[in-house]
Amino acid sequence: SYELTQPPSVSVSPGQTARITCSGDRLGKRYSCWYQQRPGQSPVLVIYQDDKRPSGIPERFSGSTSGNTATLTISGTQAMDEADYYCQAWDSSTMVFGGGTKLTVL
Amino acid sequence: QVQLVQSGAEVKEPGASVKVSCKASGNPPTPTTYGFSWVRQAPGQGLEWMGWISVYYGNTNYAQRVQGRVSITADTATNTAYMELRSLRSDDTAVYYCARGDYCSTTSCLFFQHWGQGTLVTVSS
Repeated sequence: SYELTQPPSVSVSPGQTARITCSGDRLGKRYSCWYQQRPGQSPVLVIYQDDKRPSGIPERFSGSTSGNTATLTISGTQAMDEADYYCQAWDSSTMVFGGGTKLTVL
Repeated sequence: QVQLVQSGAEVKEPGASVKVSCKASGNPPTPTTYGFSWVRQAPGQGLEWMGWISVYYGNTNYAQRVQGRVSITADTATNTAYMELRSLRSDDTAVYYCARGDYCSTTSCLFFQHWGQGTLVTVSS
């Protein structure tokens, strides 16, 4: 079965740039999404189709892909960005999530 | 503004079934291009996809882990999606989320922008 691999945790200082990676076989040939989930809340879409940002999502969130890796970049990270982040892609009509990355802003 | 409202928390015994509803309101999607996914999250764990339905075409696809125990349906008259999980086990204890994608084909959706508030299902004797 298809798998997406994320680092379990990433730490960043306020105002710095956070990068969260997601790797999977031929991921660059598929569209990927990123979801943010704060504790006790439902997931929120922050990036879709690799690099598009939904309305209402701050410009500091951006996405990119290269080869087998998708990357979520948060520029000028703020305390409110502390959350779990999940990448997601489709494989043969099956929706696949990465294991999630806990972003700590310290 | 789209809102997905799910049914309330459930407590079930092992072996029982549960059916969770997800009612959509607000901006209606294009009838031929939307679908619903169901995603669950066990305590302290990540997101796990369970399955999805293409509402117009009626196509469904389910995760292997729950295949045979899960059914996802949609009622277009009431804008409501349902997820039924049978033969419940203790490891089915989780928060269950519905999500609506408005740009879907017969095989997948580009993204899911609208999510329900989650429904806690507890399986315990």
